[in-house]
Amino acid sequence: DTAVSQTPKYLVTQMGNDKSIKCEQNLGHDTMYWYKQDSKKFLKIMFSYNNKELIINETVPNRFSPKSPDKAHLNLHINSLELGDSAVYFCASSQELETSGVQETQYFGPGTRLLVL
Amino acid sequence: AQKVTQAQTEISVVEKEDVTLDCVYETRDTTYYLFWYKQPPSGELVFLIRRNSFDEQNEISGRYSWNFQKSTSSFNFTITASQVVDSAVYFCALRGYNTDKLIFGTGTRLQVFP
Repeated sequence: DTAVSQTPKYLVTQMGNDKSIKCEQNLGHDTMYWYKQDSKKFLKIMFSYNNKELIINETVPNRFSPKSPDKAHLNLHINSLELGDSAVYFCASSQELETSGVQETQYFGPGTRLLVL
Repeated sequence: AQKVTQAQTEISVVEKEDVTLDCVYETRDTTYYLFWYKQPPSGELVFLIRRNSFDEQNEISGRYSWNFQKSTSSFNFTITASQVVDSAVYFCALRGYNTDKLIFGTGTRLQVFP
């Protein structure tokens, strides 16, 4: 009954590989996000999707590509992994209020710890 | 530009002490939202509270309380009678009205010793 889930929880891979992280939410939310937390614990948004449409795309290398097959899923594909990509990646989701268009609180998944060797 | 400052990098207290975590924010929006999240050693991010800019009432939830003051652009978090389980990194965050983007502070690591 996990609200926002991510797989895998841990990912260890070699430089140059391509990998994907999956995110699913069962809250019925219409907006999903990816955040990156670096080694100093700093959290920064990467992308947001609303009803499968890309809304926010921060200054992220184009090696990172989000894909949303439906509004309950937002996957993150990373090509040609680099050492600096090592971080914890968090997925989150929220619901837009119909009356105001304002987004409600973002709820986060457990994180995926990516280590690039 | 929007910014959140958590000047306290790390705080250590002994169990049962009260502790206040500071959060100062900057925004040009007249309507905005403030949040606190907890990140325990297990690593997940747990939502604690959300406060709208037009609601300056302080809030209490058990041992947790929050003091929102627009005059000083602060949204401080107090834990009363701290417990070892309160040990975590606490993040303050800000979101403007017309954006989905959460701007996080750098976090305050709280260590509660028995």
